[in-house]
Amino acid sequence: KNEVEQSPQNLTAQEGEFITINCSYSVGISALHWLQQHPGGGIVSLFMLSSGKKKHGRLIATINIQEKHSSLHITASHPRDSAVYICAPGLTFGKGTHLIIQP
Amino acid sequence: NAGVTQTPKFQVLKTGQSMTLQCAQDMNHEYMSWYRQDPGMGLRLIHYSVGAGITDQGEVPNGYNVSRSTTEDFPLRLLSAAPSQTSVYFCASSPTGAYGYTFGSGTRLTVV
Repeated sequence: KNEVEQSPQNLTAQEGEFITINCSYSVGISALHWLQQHPGGGIVSLFMLSSGKKKHGRLIATINIQEKHSSLHITASHPRDSAVYICAPGLTFGKGTHLIIQP
Repeated sequence: NAGVTQTPKFQVLKTGQSMTLQCAQDMNHEYMSWYRQDPGMGLRLIHYSVGAGITDQGEVPNGYNVSRSTTEDFPLRLLSAAPSQTSVYFCASSPTGAYGYTFGSGTRLTVV
């Protein structure tokens, strides 16, 4: 079983701050997903990574397959970024990071 | 509208009752999967399918059955509902398991 650890579990930040969420896992995988779950419950796929780095708007995701580690960064954070961010290496899901961005 | 459709959105069952949660997608995705989400536990994989006629167990399969007779549909059956199955259930699909998921809007199930 792939043990997935996300950190931090909870994060409150001010609008405009640079946000980093980390994900470590124990079993090698071919692809890792980052998901976003809004307070209403809907889940959206943000990235699928198998190597290197991807960028979409203010979101950047990186992965180091050898180190079994991935990070999600949010630049110029905004209150609408408030959500739960979930890391999913392979078929396993982390418990999520609860992010609140205050105006 | 293209996407994953889950029905019903809400359901209350009595202990011992059976029911089927429906999941349908119109994107011709091969991979479909069911998850349950409980407070503090995150998403846990129940069953998944890599194509019509092929299903496999995930992390928490006990008490649930699935079948995949068509590419579009992947129903989840609760055989004899128990209070421990009270949860929010999500269905998802992707072209393969290694590409981005599309999630359904979820089914909130309460077993009393």
